[in-house]
Amino acid sequence: DAEITQSPRHKITETGRQVTLACHQTWNHNNMFWYRQDLGHGLRLIHYSYGVHDTNKGEVSDGYSVSRSNTEDLPLTLESAASSQTSVYFCASSESRQGEAFFGQGTRLTVV
Amino acid sequence: AQSVTQLDSHVSVSEGTPVLLRCNYSSSYSPSLFWYVQHPNKGLQLLLKYTSAATLVKGINGFEAEFKKSETSFHLTKPSAHMSDAAEYFCVVSDWEEDSWGKLQFGAGTQVVVTP
Repeated sequence: DAEITQSPRHKITETGRQVTLACHQTWNHNNMFWYRQDLGHGLRLIHYSYGVHDTNKGEVSDGYSVSRSNTEDLPLTLESAASSQTSVYFCASSESRQGEAFFGQGTRLTVV
Repeated sequence: AQSVTQLDSHVSVSEGTPVLLRCNYSSSYSPSLFWYVQHPNKGLQLLLKYTSAATLVKGINGFEAEFKKSETSFHLTKPSAHMSDAAEYFCVVSDWEEDSWGKLQFGAGTQVVVTP
């Protein structure tokens, strides 16, 4: 079965370190998204991609970057981790503008 | 621009009684609307979606939602709550506006508690 997987599931890092969260989907979807989930805010969009070599900023993109070198992967990089980036991160993919998004299981990131 | 307001942050129901989760949305164009559920420490699962077909949408686990354009609402209901329905529920909108294409706008979530 097609799926979307995130790794690691849990990560503790120190302030100032660079961190990369992996997202891999086997749906062959063109659209991929990164969200962060914080209490009281629902999920907020960080970055998204509509295809290979395409990346776009979402509403909370400061301090994050993504790259899309193939269809399957959209890694999220925190250039210099900050305590404000402690959160649960979800990757998602979708096939079309009408289609629902399929979500990974999430990565819980703690910045100390 | 699109936005979503979930009118209740917490809902408590007794097992076997109806569940109503309220959602209002704002969208510049014809929206697609979704309800997702998140059980503790889990990812998000799609309950149902509206994409300009029938206004009454049936989803998994006995849930349904009605799209009311005049009221800009998309409330989620279930006739009889089960203990396994305890979770957080998100109302989500995506519209066809060029700079929102395919992007999901989430509500803040409604936490549902089911008591025996």
